[in-house]
Amino acid sequence: KQEVTQIPAALSVPEGENLVLNCSFTDSAIYNLQWFRQDPGKGLTSLLLIQSSQREQTSGRLNASLDKSSGRSTLYIAASQPGDSATYLCAVRLGGQNFVFGPGTRLSVLP
Amino acid sequence: DAGVIQSPRHEVTEMGQEVTLRCKPISGHDYLFWYRQTMMRGLELLIYFNNNVPIDDSGMPEDRFSAKMPNASFSTLKIQPSEPRDSAVYFCASSPRGGSSYNEQFFGPGTRLTVL
Repeated sequence: KQEVTQIPAALSVPEGENLVLNCSFTDSAIYNLQWFRQDPGKGLTSLLLIQSSQREQTSGRLNASLDKSSGRSTLYIAASQPGDSATYLCAVRLGGQNFVFGPGTRLSVLP
Repeated sequence: DAGVIQSPRHEVTEMGQEVTLRCKPISGHDYLFWYRQTMMRGLELLIYFNNNVPIDDSGMPEDRFSAKMPNASFSTLKIQPSEPRDSAVYFCASSPRGGSSYNEQFFGPGTRLTVL
């Protein structure tokens, strides 16, 4: 059974810092991996999607990498801002359209 | 596009009552998903549809839960009878089959369900 974990569970950093969020999965047979952010009381917003054949994706200050063989993905946020405060979730796509989500990392960026 | 639309946004009901949650996916998307999010279990996939056909409902917790997709622009998730342990936020998501956003999921704002 695929399990997805995220470390750390919570993170607090001062504004301007670069930071890395980690996502691990137990079964490397995935089709893609997607990073989301979730603001309190809101839905999930897609940030980056990495197909299994790709190694990384970039969008603005965000960069996500994927290492299937080691079962890891990282989300790098450059020059963090208070507006980046949210919970960040990763999800892996298994066979069919089955997705398994991690528990999330709660990020606080302090002004 | 308005994105994925869900209604109602909040629902409070009493145990034993029937609850119906509604979802309108993004136009042109082939896949529709229903998820449930709780503090204890996180985000769980309940069921997904491909071109209006239910493909995998193995995540549906009990027979009290049922989902339908009568056409490409509408889906419902029904709980009958509802129980307090069904209290959660229910999300609907859709994704395209092809294009630059292939398999990328787009979520609705969710329905917060409270069963008293």
